[in-house]
Amino acid sequence: GESVGLHLPTLSVQEGDNSIINCAYSNSASDYFIWYKQESGKGPQFIIDIRSNMDKRQGQRVTVLLNKTVKHLSLQIAATQPGDSAVYFCAENIGGATNKLIFGTGTLLAVQP
Amino acid sequence: DSGVTQTPKHLITATGQRVTLRCSPRSGDLSVYWYQQSLDQGLQFLIQYYNGEERAKGNILERFSAQQFPDLHSELNLSSLELGDSALYFCASRANNEQFFGPGTRLTVL
Repeated sequence: GESVGLHLPTLSVQEGDNSIINCAYSNSASDYFIWYKQESGKGPQFIIDIRSNMDKRQGQRVTVLLNKTVKHLSLQIAATQPGDSAVYFCAENIGGATNKLIFGTGTLLAVQP
Repeated sequence: DSGVTQTPKHLITATGQRVTLRCSPRSGDLSVYWYQQSLDQGLQFLIQYYNGEERAKGNILERFSAQQFPDLHSELNLSSLELGDSALYFCASRANNEQFFGPGTRLTVL
C-alpha cells in the first residue's frame, strides 16, 4: 500500500551536534521526495527536496540522501541549533504532475542546549 | 509566514454539525491542497484543486467536500461531524514543486 514511515519517532541531540533523521518509503515509482519541518502550532514548512534521479542534495546546513535500492531517505542537519527543534516529516510524491504527497509519521527532534 | 491564510484558526462544534473551513492560497498560486492532521493518522492528503477544478483525491470521506472558487480561494466542508473528525486541517498552495502550508484550522468536535 501507500505508506511512508519513520524509524525513530523521537531524536534527542545536543546543540552543535549533527542530526540524522531517517525515513523509509514504500512506493518505488515516487519521483520526488521532500522534507518538511513543523514547529508547534504551525503548518509544515519546506526544508529541502530531492528528485529520484539524484542521490544527494545539499542546502544550508541540511543534506538529503536518497537510497532508491532500499527505499530510504535521510535528512542530515549540521550543527543542530535549538531553533531546529520541531517535528520533521518526509513526504513522497506519488502523483506525478499533481504533486500528491504521502507523508511519513514524523520524527520529533529535541535539541538540548 | 507562508502567504497562505486559513480561517478560522479554531473551531469548536458538536457531533452531527456541519462546518466550513476557508483557505486563500498565495497570490498567483493556482493549486490548493487540503490535508488532515490527527494524532493517530498523521498528515493525510484529502483533495487537490487546480484553477477551480478537482485534480486529485486522497483519503477524503464522503461527508467531506471541497471547492475552489474563481478567485482561487477554497473551502472545505465537513458535515455530519463525528468525534473522530477532530484534527488540524491544513491547506497548502503550490508553486513549481513546493507546497506552502497555511497555519491550519484546529477543529474540535464535542
